Amino acid sequence: GQQLNQSPQSMFIQEGEDVSMNCTSSSIFNTWLWYKQDPGEGPVLLIALYKAGELTSNGRLTAQFGITRKDSFLNISASIPSDVGIYFCAGPTTSGTYKYIFGTGTRLKVLA
Amino acid sequence: GAVVSQHPSWVICKSGTSVKIECRSLDFQATTMFWYRQFPKQSLMLMATSNEGSKATYEQGVEKDKFLINHASLTLSTLTVTSAHPEDSSFYICSASPGQFNSPLHFGNGTRLTVT
Repeated sequence: GQQLNQSPQSMFIQEGEDVSMNCTSSSIFNTWLWYKQDPGEGPVLLIALYKAGELTSNGRLTAQFGITRKDSFLNISASIPSDVGIYFCAGPTTSGTYKYIFGTGTRLKVLA
Repeated sequence: GAVVSQHPSWVICKSGTSVKIECRSLDFQATTMFWYRQFPKQSLMLMATSNEGSKATYEQGVEKDKFLINHASLTLSTLTVTSAHPEDSSFYICSASPGQFNSPLHFGNGTRLTVT
């Protein structure tokens, strides 16, 4: 079945540094979503991408829809302590039913 | 916009009892809602797709008699964990989308279930 692999699994960075993470799949996706989850809460939508090559920003966050449609990237610039959390990518399955699968997640820790 | 409310946020119950979790879309109508389960330090695992006015579609390996889903209206879906056991302890999260296919999902804040 379709799977989404995220890397890195976890990262520790210093406050102020930039962060890059990616999400890859063996199959094509038509939509890429990026979410952030804080401990004990539901995921919050950060950015939605709908077109190959699309580059979209949301404040200090920038995400790109890969040209091959099999990957997506999320960058965070000038990280701050509240960026701590787990970042998930997600995409709709192409199996004919409307449902989303989630990536394995990237756990981010920011050191002040 | 696109607010999803989930209740309760946490519940502790005794083994053998049933627990109902509610998921409401507050400012939009949702013909489809999704229920996910999340174990500590793991990703979200889709349990079932809840369809208004019809039966839910369960993912492979999810017991439909164990996890009863009712989508009684366009703004409410409920998940009932029947005869709960300690292994059912987990974080349950619902989600919905105000749009059509490919529209982003918006999530509730989750329910932490602990079965003693």
